[in-house]
Amino acid sequence: DAGVIQSPRHEVTEMGQEVTLRCKPISGHDYLFWYRQTMMRGLELLIYFNNNVPIDDSGMPEDRFSAKMPNASFSTLKIQPSEPRDSAVYFCASSGWTGPGSEQFFGPGTRLTVL
Amino acid sequence: DAKTTQPNSMESNEEEPVHLPCNHSTISGTDYIHWYRQLPSQGPEYVIHGLTSNVNNRMASLAIAEDRKSSTLILHRATLRDAAVYYCILSSLVNAGNNRKLIWGLGTSLAVNP
Repeated sequence: DAGVIQSPRHEVTEMGQEVTLRCKPISGHDYLFWYRQTMMRGLELLIYFNNNVPIDDSGMPEDRFSAKMPNASFSTLKIQPSEPRDSAVYFCASSGWTGPGSEQFFGPGTRLTVL
Repeated sequence: DAKTTQPNSMESNEEEPVHLPCNHSTISGTDYIHWYRQLPSQGPEYVIHGLTSNVNNRMASLAIAEDRKSSTLILHRATLRDAAVYYCILSSLVNAGNNRKLIWGLGTSLAVNP
């Protein structure tokens, strides 16, 4: 398996523009997670899905952020409109379950810069 | 959500043991302790996890205090490839179901000297 795939790897955009980040989880994994990483706040869970259904979106910062999982092999995280404070590395991860000892497999991340 | 606290950074010499401490004084009875590490420019990767008993695997050992309010990740012989940020994380139940989520701290940046 190729692992978790994220695209694009780098994104530079201007404030006010819409940004869409994409993720393909490992085949057979029922759980998908979106994280944001910054120097100040570290790694923050934004939202996660189980069988394409959002389970916990309490980490989504505000209405400008939205995430979808239309099928088991694809998810998007959208920011509209983007702001400079959204600049961060966004990671997608997947796992087969979330019980004790479950291992999350992370993608390489998307580095977002909002000017 | 329960939180973890770790030293910002630590330093070790190659081929020496490394003990990475973590405090989680507000841990609940159902929380598991996980450790991940993040190599430069990569996503985090799983290292080890435990509940109450000490655990060993091919990567590391995890020593958990009897009151579970602290734990220590032990790398028995550090190599240059172990230079990374090490995260001590609690796996906590979400709502009333069986789903869990990881509550991440800021991690410890480990430097390994040749």
